[in-house]
Amino acid sequence: DIVMTQTPLSSPVTLGQPASISCRSSQSLVHSDGNTYLSWLQQRPGQPPRLLIYKISDRFSGVPDRFSGSGAGTDFTLKISRVEAEDVGVYYCMQATQSPYSFGQGTKLEIK
Amino acid sequence: QVQLVESGGGVVQPGGSLRLSCVASGFTFSNYGMHWVRQAPGKGLEWVAFIRSDGSDKYYSDSVKGRFTISRDTSKNTLYVQMNSLRLEDTAVYYCAKDAWGGLDYWGQGILVTVSS
Repeated sequence: DIVMTQTPLSSPVTLGQPASISCRSSQSLVHSDGNTYLSWLQQRPGQPPRLLIYKISDRFSGVPDRFSGSGAGTDFTLKISRVEAEDVGVYYCMQATQSPYSFGQGTKLEIK
Repeated sequence: QVQLVESGGGVVQPGGSLRLSCVASGFTFSNYGMHWVRQAPGKGLEWVAFIRSDGSDKYYSDSVKGRFTISRDTSKNTLYVQMNSLRLEDTAVYYCAKDAWGGLDYWGQGILVTVSS
């Protein structure tokens, strides 16, 4: 099974400053069809998760362009160019390349 | 607009069974794979199961394999998960979610399942 490991688990950030979350998979996430099914989700307190990024770097509809994804193989990164107050929450990476699919442990983004 | 509405949650004793439903609207249900994801109180997200758009393939997490069964009824635009032999550790909010290129692009509000004696 593929294990997803996120770092850091907690990230205090100053408003207006950048933030970065890393996600590493225990195996390559390149699917036999050539795609890499790595996504990023945000969960605000008391709400269901919300998709931000899919296939490493494709931004989902309505997601602000301050969110970006990058990486390849086993190492992936979510970046927020300038953190806003509404970005507070927990961020998860998820792989859907190989069953059983799996999430990272989550990274809690909070404002300093 | 896309809507996913879960139902069927509640309190059940260990060893008991429950069936969750998720009614979909706002998109062509038969064209998309669907997932169940759960979240234990105060914990992170745990992927539970996936079913392809045509129901041809079904995948499960190791923790529920052999106990949970995912299914779908296209005529009713409804996703199901039959949960048998429930354990204390199955207590969680269960979400259904629509698949889009491996990303889960729309989620229901979630339904609470509590396994307790």
